Amino acid sequence: EDKVVQSPLSLVVHEGDTVTLNCSYEVTNFRSLLWYKQEKKAPTFLFMLTSSGIEKKSGRLSSILDKKELFSILNITATQTGDSAVYLCAAGYRNNDMRFGAGTRLTVKP
Amino acid sequence: DGGITQSPKYLFRKEGQNVTLSCEQNLNHDAMYWYRQDPGQGLRLIYYSQIVNDFQKGDIAEGYSVSREKKESFPLTVTSAQKNPTAFYLCASRPGQTYNSPLHFGNGTRLTVT
Repeated sequence: EDKVVQSPLSLVVHEGDTVTLNCSYEVTNFRSLLWYKQEKKAPTFLFMLTSSGIEKKSGRLSSILDKKELFSILNITATQTGDSAVYLCAAGYRNNDMRFGAGTRLTVKP
Repeated sequence: DGGITQSPKYLFRKEGQNVTLSCEQNLNHDAMYWYRQDPGQGLRLIYYSQIVNDFQKGDIAEGYSVSREKKESFPLTVTSAQKNPTAFYLCASRPGQTYNSPLHFGNGTRLTVT
């Protein structure tokens, strides 16, 4: 069965902390791994990863993919209250399908 | 500005009634998707369409129906056969046949059925 599993499901940190969010996947004909941030409504795109070992960075956020071990991590350094959101991981696979994980709810306290 | 518009934002219905959620995009994308989001369960695929006049069932299609008569529009009907319709519904799109492209999402419709 195709699946994407995220951990932890929920995380509470204080401003300035560094967090690591995990995403493991088992899908048929894997194509890509995507990360989204969802605050209130529409998920917004963060990263797409297709190759192992190449880190993608955007400001304080970074992500990397391990296609051998079938997982990805999303790191956020020096967290701010504006980072509070649900972070969704999705695996693109087969013929244009995309399977999402349950998400990690991150709360950053001042 | 290009984007995806979902309407209405909030929808309330009585049990036993069919209801249709609107999704329109002006991104010229071929592929469109409907997802359902419940607390703690992430996004689950209901239906998707790669091209006009064609669509496929996702993981949880029972109790739902769609149509794709125009490239821009992909309405979702929640029928009375859907046992637990109260949820947050998200529509998305992306260029067709390009599996390595991210989904663009609308702002969602929150449906409450009592």
